[in-house]
Amino acid sequence: NAGVMQNPRHLVRRRGQEARLRCSPMKGHSHVYWYRQLPEEGLKFMVYLQKENIIDESGMPKERFSAEFPKEGPSILRIQQVVRGDSAAYFCASSPQKGSLSDSYNEQFFGPGTRLTVL
Amino acid sequence: GENVEQHPSTLSVQEGDSAVIKCTYSDSASNYFPWYKQELGKRPQLIIDIRSNVGEKKDQRIAVTLNKTAKHFSLHITETQPEDSAVYFCAVTQGGSEKLVFGKGTKLTVNP
Repeated sequence: NAGVMQNPRHLVRRRGQEARLRCSPMKGHSHVYWYRQLPEEGLKFMVYLQKENIIDESGMPKERFSAEFPKEGPSILRIQQVVRGDSAAYFCASSPQKGSLSDSYNEQFFGPGTRLTVL
Repeated sequence: GENVEQHPSTLSVQEGDSAVIKCTYSDSASNYFPWYKQELGKRPQLIIDIRSNVGEKKDQRIAVTLNKTAKHFSLHITETQPEDSAVYFCAVTQGGSEKLVFGKGTKLTVNP
């Protein structure tokens, strides 16, 4: 059972370009979360999605940032017109569906992250 | 919203000693409390978690204790080894939500 997959692992963009970050959850997981980590800091929640639905986007900036989790394919975090302050590690996590037989529905497992550098 | 305070920010111990990291939270409705270990440049890895209906949980050298009344929970690592050196994050689910609110992390160094 492969873990959470993210690509690319490293992404370099110039100011004003677009960044697209992809996340494939663990097999059997239907919940995806995106977190941002600045150097020497903790992780900050951005958005929580289920298939085709955004459940909670309270941590995501209103402008330039968007996220989706289509019926088919990975979840995408999209940052338009990147600025230097967007440079960070972006981690995706997945968890099982709530209400499953397992008691582990809260557990979030993280992908390896995408390190975005904006020049 | 939920506020999570984590202490200390850095901790240095000798190999074989114990290490304790403490977190406090503000939302009394929070019900899930995981701990993550993150090595430099790597992903956060879940090492232990506890739910609000339990006061203590142990897994080999790692234990977590929860005091819901005082709204704090602690990570205990016994017989520390150099490979325990990493940054440890506590987290809390905000009441009624699935999202995790993280502490700022504790950099643990185990000196051989």
